[in-house]
Amino acid sequence: DTAVSQTPKYLVTQMGNDKSIKCEQNLGHDTMYWYKQDSKKFLKIMFSYNNKELIINETVPNRFSPKSPDKAHLNLHINSLELGDSAVYFCASSQDKGRQPQHFGDGTRLSIL
Amino acid sequence: AQSVTQLDSQVPVFEEAPVELRCNYSSSVSVYLFWYVQYPNQGLQLLLKYLSGSTLVKGINGFEAEFNKSQTSFHLRKPSVHISDTAEYFCAVSDMNAGNMLTFGGGTRLMVKP
Repeated sequence: DTAVSQTPKYLVTQMGNDKSIKCEQNLGHDTMYWYKQDSKKFLKIMFSYNNKELIINETVPNRFSPKSPDKAHLNLHINSLELGDSAVYFCASSQDKGRQPQHFGDGTRLSIL
Repeated sequence: AQSVTQLDSQVPVFEEAPVELRCNYSSSVSVYLFWYVQYPNQGLQLLLKYLSGSTLVKGINGFEAEFNKSQTSFHLRKPSVHISDTAEYFCAVSDMNAGNMLTFGGGTRLMVKP
């Protein structure tokens, strides 16, 4: 059983388009996250939601909008895609704050043409 | 603010040799420390974690790490590596003031050669 699942796994699209990435966790965790991994493998937090409420919003363009319909889902919508958005986006979830490890999905590789 | 430095971007090693991947962190408060492994085209998988207590932490796949508060380090070790250990390894830190936000190091690519 997949604990944290993301769809799609690959996303190839053109500049200027709008796209969404979906994430679901079946671990019963109350906190979910989005990370961006660039071409040099550097990982950076984008957003964190706890029980459907935004608790972390790092410096991310407002073209990126997370949406959490319930605590098991955290989707990422991206408007007006740019070349620099090409990256691998990871969803993660955890229980409790700080002490518990985060569980990651397999990532969504976004390529902008 | 917290930060993590992984001193080696790549570590080549022969199969069955020991390996150490270095990690140093900075934080003004007590921290929780983690090592994750990323195999090609996969997500991150937890290897081990330090929350409190014994400074020597054992993880999966024969890895262990030692928390050294005075040197602000959390180096990862394995006494004998396998080809299958070839992957990217990430050190990460979180603290009570960071809202469970993980700050990652830049990663170390472990390349195990036959």
